Amino acid sequence: AQSVTQPDIHITVSEGASLELRCNYSYGATPYLFWYVQSPGQGLQLLLKYFSGDTLVQGIKGFEAEFKRSQSSFNLRKPSVHWSDAAEYFCAVGAQNNAGNMLTFGGGTRLMVKP
Amino acid sequence: EPEVTQTPSHQVTQMGQEVILRCVPISNHLYFYWYRQILGQKVEFLVSFYNNEISEKSEIFDDQFSVERPDGSNFTLKIRSTKLEDSAMYFCASSPRLGYNEQFFGPGTRLTVL
Repeated sequence: AQSVTQPDIHITVSEGASLELRCNYSYGATPYLFWYVQSPGQGLQLLLKYFSGDTLVQGIKGFEAEFKRSQSSFNLRKPSVHWSDAAEYFCAVGAQNNAGNMLTFGGGTRLMVKP
Repeated sequence: EPEVTQTPSHQVTQMGQEVILRCVPISNHLYFYWYRQILGQKVEFLVSFYNNEISEKSEIFDDQFSVERPDGSNFTLKIRSTKLEDSAMYFCASSPRLGYNEQFFGPGTRLTVL
């Protein structure tokens, strides 16, 4: 069965500082990987996705993530954090099968940004 | 930009009552999903739906739950007899096709069972 671990429940960074949110997954085949962001009272917005090819993927809002198969990781990065990035971030793994394409989510990392 | 919408945004109900949560997926999408997030816990998959039938369901999705696409636009989740532990945020999602596609999520319905 697939699973996702986000080791950091809370992270606080200063505005303008760099950010890295960790994600480790467990899946038996090549995973489809996603990062979603959830602002308070909002739904889940897709930041970026990895299906195949280049292991460094670019997303919206200046985010990027790198797929490292050897480490079973898909960490999210941003070089300079803005106050509006404060939100909860979820890593997810998807499995294509004949049935349903369900996503399995990690527990989330809540990002706080200090002025 | 097309969005998934959900109604109501908040629902409060008494234990044992039936609730129906409603979703309008993006219009040209074919695959529909329900997820839930109990406060402080992970987002969990409940069910996927395609071509008017359930494609996959989790062990959470027991006989108390059902889904329906009653017309060409709505997608509903019914909980027949709510329990306290059904209190959660319920998210609807849709995707245009299976495979290399992200799922687009709605804003969620917060269900509180008293």
